[in-house]
Amino acid sequence: DQQVKQNSPSLSVQEGRISILNCDYTNSMFDYFLWYKKYPAEGPTFLISISSIKDKNEDGRFTVFLNKSAKHLSLHIVPSQPGDSAVYFCAATPLAYNTDKLIFGTGTRLQVFP
Amino acid sequence: KAGVTQTPRYLIKTRGQQVTLSCSPISGHRSVSWYQQTPGQGLQFLFEYFSETQRNKGNFPGRFSGRQFSNSRSEMNVSTLELGDSALYLCASSLSNGQGLTEAFFGQGTRLTVV
Repeated sequence: DQQVKQNSPSLSVQEGRISILNCDYTNSMFDYFLWYKKYPAEGPTFLISISSIKDKNEDGRFTVFLNKSAKHLSLHIVPSQPGDSAVYFCAATPLAYNTDKLIFGTGTRLQVFP
Repeated sequence: KAGVTQTPRYLIKTRGQQVTLSCSPISGHRSVSWYQQTPGQGLQFLFEYFSETQRNKGNFPGRFSGRQFSNSRSEMNVSTLELGDSALYLCASSLSNGQGLTEAFFGQGTRLTVV
């Protein structure tokens, strides 16, 4: 049972435009969400996170939105740059369970073209 | 500050053999988790260690095991290797100080190929 879903395996966006990556979750116990970026043959790199007490968090070009009622979050990248081309993973964890275990989605491959 | 270090980076083993992978977390981080990444499966949680104790375990067979030492360094072992164990194995460390939200920092991974 995939508790965290990224239904779009790939996304192609022109440089300078907005990239929107989506993530859905099913477990209502999840209350902390993270986005990671991954290049081939490297470990994931942390991008941005959001707690369930917020509905938005910004860090430079990256903004994450959380809609708890819909169990949906999205990552916005504005403006998109060619260096953003990578696989993006959404992850979730239930903080109340005193664990650092992350449940990951299957990832979305973002390609930013000139 | 050094990041998470995993050794070796690449490994080729034969079916039936066993393998040990090593992970050195960021200094001061107390929690170490292991993940398996295979094509199309994303990152699957293997286990989590905190203060030398396994705090959580994923849905993997008993051939997969791990441990954490007093200096927070961790090892994972896979016995009786199968072709399907070929994957990128990732280690992540977290501060896990019980005082708030902390993100996990990943190493570069060990690419295991079973032939």
